[in-house]
Amino acid sequence: QSALTQPASVSGSPGQSITISCTGTSNDVGAYIYVSWYQQHPGEVPKLIIYDVSDRPSGVSNRFSGSKSGNTASLTISGLQAEDEADYYCSSYTSSKTWVFGGGTKVTVL
Amino acid sequence: QVTLKESGPALVKPTQTLSLTCTFSGFSLSTSGMRVSWIRQPPGKALEWLARIDWDDTKFYSTSLKTRLTISKDTSKNQVVLTMTNVGPVDTASYYCARSTAFSGEYDYWGRGMLVTVSS
Repeated sequence: QSALTQPASVSGSPGQSITISCTGTSNDVGAYIYVSWYQQHPGEVPKLIIYDVSDRPSGVSNRFSGSKSGNTASLTISGLQAEDEADYYCSSYTSSKTWVFGGGTKVTVL
Repeated sequence: QVTLKESGPALVKPTQTLSLTCTFSGFSLSTSGMRVSWIRQPPGKALEWLARIDWDDTKFYSTSLKTRLTISKDTSKNQVVLTMTNVGPVDTASYYCARSTAFSGEYDYWGRGMLVTVSS
């Protein structure tokens, strides 16, 4: 099972919106709503920020939103803030009854 | 309050078998819908899903690692154990256990993780 494809890095200025893509196949992202996103600050544990493509857990800022089109899921961060600087990972269920993560995207706030 | 904590050897020699234990509290793996997964992260690299065990003892394994992995649970001790056979330097990573409450597998609580180094 190959990792989902994410851009290595994305940057934006405070207040801007950025979007991180997560590209899979018709056997994972394209087939299921079971796509989730995690935020990981350096040295910390990953934190769930989006599940089932676009749902937000309680307590997660509504500046984070998720969507999916075909085999590509996307995470949008609006009103970018310094605290959003972190690594972001997508994850999807697969037709092989396994789960797969993306390669991760480093978000830099300029 | 839900907590999870990983334990096991910090250093393992190549070809040995690694055994990691996830001890959790705040929920029971005998409760319908509860699931615990193992995920690892090599230093400076991406997350990699390894295995999952559900409340009904259903087990899932990474396709690429399934011949080397075994996951089990001890409900009475609130523990999940992952064993990995024939380890090598590429298995050096921080190993996390994490809880899910839905089939979709999103992890709402994570352990702090533990670094396992494979070296002779």
